[in-house]
Amino acid sequence: AQKITQTQPGMFVQEKEAVTLDCTYDTSDPSYGLFWYKQPSSGEMIFLIYQGSYDQQNATEGRYSLNFQKARKSANLVISASQLGDSAMYFCAMREPNFGNEKLTFGTGTRLTIIP
Amino acid sequence: EPEVTQTPSHQVTQMGQEVILRCVPISNHLYFYWYRQILGQKVEFLVSFYNNEISEKSEIFDDQFSVERPDGSNFTLKIRSTKLEDSAMYFCASASRGQGSQPQHFGDGTRLSIL
Repeated sequence: AQKITQTQPGMFVQEKEAVTLDCTYDTSDPSYGLFWYKQPSSGEMIFLIYQGSYDQQNATEGRYSLNFQKARKSANLVISASQLGDSAMYFCAMREPNFGNEKLTFGTGTRLTIIP
Repeated sequence: EPEVTQTPSHQVTQMGQEVILRCVPISNHLYFYWYRQILGQKVEFLVSFYNNEISEKSEIFDDQFSVERPDGSNFTLKIRSTKLEDSAMYFCASASRGQGSQPQHFGDGTRLSIL
């Protein structure tokens, strides 16, 4: 079974609109962390935002926010006021406990294209 | 801002040859990782490393792979006898902590092409 599921392979959004990228996850561990990374066409992986399983509030980081619904096991990324530079692949990833050195498990990603 | 540095950015190697991918993690980080991404696919975990030993490795990380931290700054991934299916982007990552909210910081990757 997939641990991280991103059901939107591609999305097209008009510039300045808000966009929500979906991510659902599967874990039986109560302690975990969820990360979103951006991968532009140049290939690097850029950390965007983090949500911990025990965090009471949804994470926010500038134009990025996380819609964390723990009961539904979803952690959707919301980008407000999208810009042309937001065009990229976006990956959701989960970290689960593993004796202190915890790998990331990634989803298949969503390719976001911002239309001028 | 400190960053993870990977060299080379692109490596072309004949099948069966050995290849060493190099990484300089962020200087005060203690936790290190290698991931790979086959073209058009998701990022996959290879190995994690802490305190001079492997913490965890995936099924992909077979006997052909090894990692080393030869000095206080470099972290290398060696593939002893490359196969065509090793062609991928390889990412090194480092973190100040192995858990919690501290993110893993990724390098720009090394694109490995096996001919």
